[in-house]
Amino acid sequence: NAGVTQTPKFRVLKTGQSMTLLCAQDMNHEYMYWYRQDPGMGLRLIHYSVGEGTTAKGEVPDGYNVSRLKKQNFLLGLESAAPSQTSVYFCASSTRVYEQYFGPGTRLTVT
Amino acid sequence: SQQGEEDPQALSIQEGENATMNCSYKTSINNLQWYRQNSGRGLVHLILIRSNEREKHSGRLRVTLDTSKKSSSLLITASRAADTASYFCATYSGGGADGLTFGKGTHLIIQP
Repeated sequence: NAGVTQTPKFRVLKTGQSMTLLCAQDMNHEYMYWYRQDPGMGLRLIHYSVGEGTTAKGEVPDGYNVSRLKKQNFLLGLESAAPSQTSVYFCASSTRVYEQYFGPGTRLTVT
Repeated sequence: SQQGEEDPQALSIQEGENATMNCSYKTSINNLQWYRQNSGRGLVHLILIRSNEREKHSGRLRVTLDTSKKSSSLLITASRAADTASYFCATYSGGGADGLTFGKGTHLIIQP
């Protein structure tokens, strides 16, 4: 039982490049979330999903897109990366909005 | 916007002492949760307290909730070096599935 996994762990992008972050969970959770964490800040919600095929915007959705084609996977896309998107990205899953299980994070640097 | 605000931002104590962290929030909540984050790692859920509960215990952790003051506290008793981490409160307001709102965290250092 791996819990929540994220790939890649680290990535460096140039401004304007695109990439996709993958989150996978093996706990059969309905809810999945993407957060970003910046220095000295708590986590801020980017997008979330309440089930396969559904997505919704969180607090800071601009510049990101998501997809939930399979229940166990939640993808976060950056179409045109900007330096302001340099951050650590965390994926989480839960059965409802109770205890959330977090992945180890992806550290993204945009130069 | 940040819902929860932890206080203090940083705390350094000796091993064996108790550590207390506080969290204040702005709007009514369904539940409040505390998470721990070790350096460079993901967050780990510690404890959840519902809005109709006033106190909850889990091992060396004690959480209180005062909805009239919109505040919560996390007490870690008999601290250990392994408790060194950042601690975040997170609130869920209910009525939807729009995730948790996190505070900025308290960085706790346990001196051996």
